[in-house]
Amino acid sequence: AQTVTQSQPEMSVQEAETVTLSCTYDTSESDYYLFWYKQPPSRQMILVIRQEAYKQQNATENRFSVNFQKAAKSFSLKISDSQLGDAAMYFCAYIDFGNEKLTFGTGTRLTIIP
Amino acid sequence: DARVTQTPRHKVTEMGQEVTMRCQPILGHNTVFWYRQTMMQGLELLAYFRNRAPLDDSGMPKDRFSAEMPDATLATLKIQPSEPRDSAVYFCASGLNRGYQPQHFGDGTRLSIL
Repeated sequence: AQTVTQSQPEMSVQEAETVTLSCTYDTSESDYYLFWYKQPPSRQMILVIRQEAYKQQNATENRFSVNFQKAAKSFSLKISDSQLGDAAMYFCAYIDFGNEKLTFGTGTRLTIIP
Repeated sequence: DARVTQTPRHKVTEMGQEVTMRCQPILGHNTVFWYRQTMMQGLELLAYFRNRAPLDDSGMPKDRFSAEMPDATLATLKIQPSEPRDSAVYFCASGLNRGYQPQHFGDGTRLSIL
């Protein structure tokens, strides 16, 4: 079974600085997708970024980028120029072509220090 | 922006009562997912539908939970009878076709069973 591990329960970063959230996963599949979701105190799950495993190029969305290392099964999220609104729980998630179930990690709570 | 709408946002009720949660997916999305979030289990998939047909409900306790899509604009999750262990946040998400397409989440229903 696929598993997703987020080893950092909590992280903090100074406003305007850069922070990297870690995620590793375990799978025997070769074709899959990885996601980062953000859950602010408002509770809504917001899709931050998506990476297709067959693409070597790392996905970017404005201040958010990923470092996808397929061989190492690692998928970290980098947030540049951190803003107060980035404070939230961040969940890493995995899904493969043959299975429609998103598997989520346990989350990392990110605090932004003004 | 199009959004998934869930009602109610909060629900407090006594053990044994019937609970119905509703979800309006994004117009045009043909796949609807129900997730449950708890501190202990994290985010877990309960059931999902495509084109209103149930595809998988293996994550759902069959004896008390039921999920339906009366029409393309409404999905329901019902618990009868409710138990304190059902207390959680229930999310609905919608997407296009396969599960690896981005899933857009609603704000969730926070359910408390006394």
